[in-house]
Amino acid sequence: NAGVTQTPKFRILKIGQSMTLQCTQDMNHNYMYWYRQDPGMGLKLIYYSVGAGITDKGEVPNGYNVSRSTTEDFPLRLELAAPSQTSVYFCASSPNPTSGGAKNIQYFGAGTRLSVL
Amino acid sequence: GENVEQHPSTLSVQEGDSAVIKCTYSDSASNYFPWYKQELGKGPQLIIDIRSNVGEKKDQRIAVTLNKTAKHFSLHITETQPEDSAVYFCAARVSGTYKYIFGTGTRLKVLA
Repeated sequence: NAGVTQTPKFRILKIGQSMTLQCTQDMNHNYMYWYRQDPGMGLKLIYYSVGAGITDKGEVPNGYNVSRSTTEDFPLRLELAAPSQTSVYFCASSPNPTSGGAKNIQYFGAGTRLSVL
Repeated sequence: GENVEQHPSTLSVQEGDSAVIKCTYSDSASNYFPWYKQELGKGPQLIIDIRSNVGEKKDQRIAVTLNKTAKHFSLHITETQPEDSAVYFCAARVSGTYKYIFGTGTRLKVLA
């Protein structure tokens, strides 16, 4: 039972380089999310998706792009890496809401630790 | 915009004592409040949640209380054990969406 899988686990980038953080889930969840976690700052939502072909911005989308061509995959793209993007990135997924539309449990991956130097 | 404040940022308790973590939210229409536990090097994991039509929910040693009028909710851990040591996050769902605003986290240390 893999759940939410993120790759790579660690990465060091130089300023201006680009990369894609991969996220895949095998639970057939429609909802997927990307967060960044900075020390002492909690989790900030970057982008989210409510289904294949549908994405929307979160709190901190600048400098990132996403796509959702399949239910399973939700990659996060950094085009021009900047030191401010040094962070730990978490992908999460959740099934369709239950309990009258309120309950919406998120399952998180193990994270990708990114350093931009 | 919506905001969730969480206190304290760090908390140390003796094994067997209780721990309480408090969160305050700004969106009065929020109706779902999960709590997550994050162990070192891992992603957050849901430990308990509460909907706005309930005032309290318990699951063994953990409980969550919600005061809608005051817009705050709390996590209570009783009979703490060393394995409870972790970072705990509260969150509130943004009304009308499936987006969540997270608190800044509480690092709990249970001293043996």
